[in-house]
Amino acid sequence: EVQLVESGGGLVQPGGSLRLSCAASGVTFSNYWMHWVRQAPGKGLVWVSRINTDGGSTAYADSVRGRFTISRDNAKNTLYLQMSSLRAEDTAVYYCARDSPSVGIDYWGQGSLVTVSS
Amino acid sequence: QSVLTQPPSASGTPGQRVTISCSGSSSNIGSNAVNWYQHLPGTAPTLLISSNDQRPSGVPDRFSGSKSGTSASLAISGLQSEDEADYYCAAWDDSLNAVLFGGGTKLTVL
Repeated sequence: EVQLVESGGGLVQPGGSLRLSCAASGVTFSNYWMHWVRQAPGKGLVWVSRINTDGGSTAYADSVRGRFTISRDNAKNTLYLQMSSLRAEDTAVYYCARDSPSVGIDYWGQGSLVTVSS
Repeated sequence: QSVLTQPPSASGTPGQRVTISCSGSSSNIGSNAVNWYQHLPGTAPTLLISSNDQRPSGVPDRFSGSKSGTSASLAISGLQSEDEADYYCAAWDDSLNAVLFGGGTKLTVL
C-alpha cells in the first residue's frame, strides 16, 4: 500500500523559514515524479512544485518561485519542500503527491498545516 | 483565480445524475489529459478519473469522465449521500509549465 506522510508543518513568523518532509513507503520512490500541492483555508487545491525522479528537473508555481525549493533523497525515500521568506498567504495545508506515468497525480498524503502569522 | 473553471457548487437528490464541468484552454485541457479528484475535508484527496475517462481500480462505475476540445466533465450517476464532497479537475498546462487545478465544485446531496 502506498503511503505518503508529511511532517514539519507548524507556526512560523512572516519572513521565516520551514522545511516540510514527505516520507514514502510501499512504493519504489525513485521511480516517480513527486509534487507539492497546497490548500489555503476555505480555498481550493493549488499546485506548488514538482520534481523529476533524480531531482535534476524541477518546476514551481509563480507564487513561490525563488522562495521555495523542492528536493528529494531517494536513498531515504523522502521528498522535501524548503520554504523561505514566508508570507501570510502561504498559510495552507501542504500535500505531497505521487505522479505516475500516463496517469498524473495518483496518490496524496494527509497533509501538513503551515501557519504564517506573527 | 483558477485557469480551469468549475462551477462552485452542484447538488442533487439520491439516485439522480449530476454533471460537473471543467473549462480550460488549448494549452491545458486542449492538449493534455484531465484528471478528477474527490476531496473530503480533513482527508487526502483521491483520484477519481485519470486520462479524461479512466477509472482507477476501486472507483465505482457510477463515476465517469469525458473530454471534448478544451472542456471536460465528470458525471456521477445514482447519487449517494457519501458522494457529498469537493471535486477538482486538473491538467498540465504547457504554457505555464505547471499543473492547474480547477477552483473546485462542492457537491451537496439533498
